[in-house]
Amino acid sequence: DAGVIQSPRHEVTEMGQEVTLRCKPISGHNSLFWYRQTMMRGLELLIYFNNNVPIDDSGMPEDRFSAKMPNASFSTLKIQPSEPRDSAVYFCASSSSLRTSGVQETQYFGPGTRLLVL
Amino acid sequence: AQSVTQPDIHITVSEGASLELRCNYSYGATPYLFWYVQSPGQGLQLLLKYFSGDTLVQGIKGFEAEFKRSQSSFNLRKPSVHWSDAAEYFCAVGSGNTGKLIFGQGTTLQVKP
Repeated sequence: DAGVIQSPRHEVTEMGQEVTLRCKPISGHNSLFWYRQTMMRGLELLIYFNNNVPIDDSGMPEDRFSAKMPNASFSTLKIQPSEPRDSAVYFCASSSSLRTSGVQETQYFGPGTRLLVL
Repeated sequence: AQSVTQPDIHITVSEGASLELRCNYSYGATPYLFWYVQSPGQGLQLLLKYFSGDTLVQGIKGFEAEFKRSQSSFNLRKPSVHWSDAAEYFCAVGSGNTGKLIFGQGTTLQVKP
């Protein structure tokens, strides 16, 4: 299995530009998570999807951030317009759906996208 | 609310020495607990997890962790550290019914030769 795939691995952009981060989850997984990692705030969950439906977006910083999952094999996280404080590493993770017993399934992380907004 | 505390931000041990990384959690029900490792420039890799049953769980790379409900702890251990273990380690707790994980702030491990 190829694991979770993220692109691009690195992105440098200027303030005000639109940034789109992409994620391909592990085949067969139907939960997908977007995280942001910074030195100051650590790992933060931004949003997660189950069966392509956004379940919880309470971690999305503000309206400049949006995420979509048009199908089971692809998700995007978009920042428009970008700001220097958005500079961070953005991780995508996927997992199998929760069993009816509610057992927590393991999340598998992608390599991340390192974003720098100048 | 759920929370995870990793009291040690940075730990340095000598190669071959034993290691224990601390993790304390706050959660009302039976927690689902995880340890992940992150090497520089990489994503997070699962080391081990605890769902139920035996409170001592074995993971990859020779790591183990012990769940102690009375102390709300899930400390990670390794009897003999290798230089390749230098990385950042994250403890996480999951609620089980949402799929969400709450991560601690991480502990950076440095290994001296």
